[in-house]
Amino acid sequence: DTEVTQTPKHLVMGMTNKKSLKCEQHMGHRAMYWYKQKAKKPPELMFVYSYEKLSINESVPSRFSPECPNSSLLNLHLHALQPEDSALYLCASSQVPSLDGQGFYGYTFGSGTRLTVV
Amino acid sequence: AQSVTQLDSHVSVSEGTPVLLRCNYSSSYSPSLFWYVQHPNKGLQLLLKYTSAATLVKGINGFEAEFKKSETSFHLTKPSAHMSDAAEYFCVVSDFTGGGNKLTFGTGTQLKVEL
Repeated sequence: DTEVTQTPKHLVMGMTNKKSLKCEQHMGHRAMYWYKQKAKKPPELMFVYSYEKLSINESVPSRFSPECPNSSLLNLHLHALQPEDSALYLCASSQVPSLDGQGFYGYTFGSGTRLTVV
Repeated sequence: AQSVTQLDSHVSVSEGTPVLLRCNYSSSYSPSLFWYVQHPNKGLQLLLKYTSAATLVKGINGFEAEFKKSETSFHLTKPSAHMSDAAEYFCVVSDFTGGGNKLTFGTGTQLKVEL
């Protein structure tokens, strides 16, 4: 299995709703990531998990709450979002490289969840 | 911090002609560089990667890129464009500092392929 699977593919939620995005991989990757991509823009890093521990939080608002329950799963819990949070949310995974970058061969991305906040 | 600059936001070519998408990088040490492609409403697909093994890197779908340290460049090329190549292309650099590994994306180049 060489894929990263994201569900749902599309999500519409109100500003008072609570929802979750799910990401799953079975490639044995121990690093997983959430990126946010606005239209016509490059992806922007939100969170990095290494060995199921949060290692990077790019100053993301607390209305986004990541969770890594095991080495294959990554969730993003959403609460009280704003319309400007509407975007494509991309999950990715990779090997965990050594500090000098050896062994890092790039990410495998999922196809994303298109989120619309109304 | 490392960064990449994609020199063209839009490139238009005719089918069957060569493709050149330009990327310059800034890095204080030997970088790991990647090209990713994104088709409309899709996720990102890895085209190729440079990780210091060889300066000329061959990727999928006939694409290749050459790492030139003297020019701090990592341009993407393809000898003959196909209609299916029309997409957004991102030049990307790895950063292994800060307790994790993260990719920093360039602003993207939209490739248009015309008949």
